[in-house]
Amino acid sequence: NAGVMQNPRHLVRRRGQEARLRCSPMKGHSHVYWYRQLPEEGLKFMVYLQKENIIDESGMPKERFSAEFPKEGPSILRIQQVVRGDSAAYFCASSPGQGVNEAFFGQGTRLTVV
Amino acid sequence: DAKTTQPPSMDCAEGRAANLPCNHSTISGNEYVYWYRQIHSQGPQYIIHGLKNNETNEMASLIITEDRKSSTLILPHATLRDTAVYYCIVEKGYGQNFVFGPGTRLSVLP
Repeated sequence: NAGVMQNPRHLVRRRGQEARLRCSPMKGHSHVYWYRQLPEEGLKFMVYLQKENIIDESGMPKERFSAEFPKEGPSILRIQQVVRGDSAAYFCASSPGQGVNEAFFGQGTRLTVV
Repeated sequence: DAKTTQPPSMDCAEGRAANLPCNHSTISGNEYVYWYRQIHSQGPQYIIHGLKNNETNEMASLIITEDRKSSTLILPHATLRDTAVYYCIVEKGYGQNFVFGPGTRLSVLP
């Protein structure tokens, strides 16, 4: 039973390029959450998605960032025109649904903007 | 903002019990207490959660006070691999846009 899979594990982008981060939830999980962790800081919630729906994007910057969770395939966090301040670890978590249950996290994608 | 308060760091001798406290004095009746940990820079790992009763699993025990304003995570026999940042989170149990505070950095010493 594979856990939450994120790829790539490491991603280097030049300023102005686009970054695409992928997250495949655990089997049977239909809820996905994205978090960002800046160096030496705690995790910050970005967005919560269900299949084909964004439920809560209150933590996501309004510009350059977008997220989707299509009917088929992984969830994608997209960062356009990256800047140095976007360098961080991005973690994805999934859960089976609403109700009391624990979220399982992936190992993260470490984005470095040069 | 995080709804919990934790000590920034703690030490524990290997093989001894590690007791990590958490204050959540503003917790509401339908909010659960969750504990996660993050080892080095890995993804956070779920440990345990509870509402009002004490809980135990293969990793840890969770003791919640009767008024629910504080709780303690107990690692009964800490090992060096338990060195991590431990996060106490209060959340309604759905949606799970967890608010992570700075947590407690636990160092298990040989």
